[in-house]
Amino acid sequence: QKEVEQNSGPLSVPEGAIASLNCTYSDRGSQSFFWYRQYSGKSPELIMSIYSNGDKEDGRFTAQLNKASQYVSLLIRDSQPSDSATYLCAVNMGQGGKLIFGQGTELSVKP
Amino acid sequence: EAQVTQNPRYLITVTGKKLTVTCSQNMNHEYMSWYRQDPGLGLRQIYYSMNVEVTDKGDVPEGYKVSRKEKRNFPLILESPSPNQTSLYFCASSFLLPGSPLHFGNGTRLTVT
Repeated sequence: QKEVEQNSGPLSVPEGAIASLNCTYSDRGSQSFFWYRQYSGKSPELIMSIYSNGDKEDGRFTAQLNKASQYVSLLIRDSQPSDSATYLCAVNMGQGGKLIFGQGTELSVKP
Repeated sequence: EAQVTQNPRYLITVTGKKLTVTCSQNMNHEYMSWYRQDPGLGLRQIYYSMNVEVTDKGDVPEGYKVSRKEKRNFPLILESPSPNQTSLYFCASSFLLPGSPLHFGNGTRLTVT
């Protein structure tokens, strides 16, 4: 079993819709969770971090964490074509700065 | 401006010719790491360092070397590059606090012929 799993996609949504991206992780002791956005050929860019159970909202983005079920999700409201990118879930499993990354989910927002 | 700087951005070389990719950060981060990214394989960690003179292997260390003589610098060395090291490389850094996010450099696209 992979330590951090994401559906690779592609996930296609129409402009203005809600995009839902999911991630599961294997280590129950994981403490910190991050979502990065990566455009093709570019470096990953941090968009959300979440540390406790529940929802965290930042503009059009909402991160949701459920430690009991070991999943973290990212919702993007009012999706725009500029949101088309690969979204990487990353989990800190308590080893200093080391993050474990999922494979990423490719999101395509159609005008 | 707080940043992680990698050089060069693009590099084409031939098999066996030693090369170094530099990485420098100006955020006083303790933790630095190198990743490679290949289609379908995601980000894979090559080496990481938690402090000066402290380095450790990641998931795919074969064929690579690193050093951490200063806190701000973490160069990646390919002593004898091979075509299977053709990839997109990222340097990243963070504080050692568990909730600290990684900050990435702009990447180095390496082609080994």
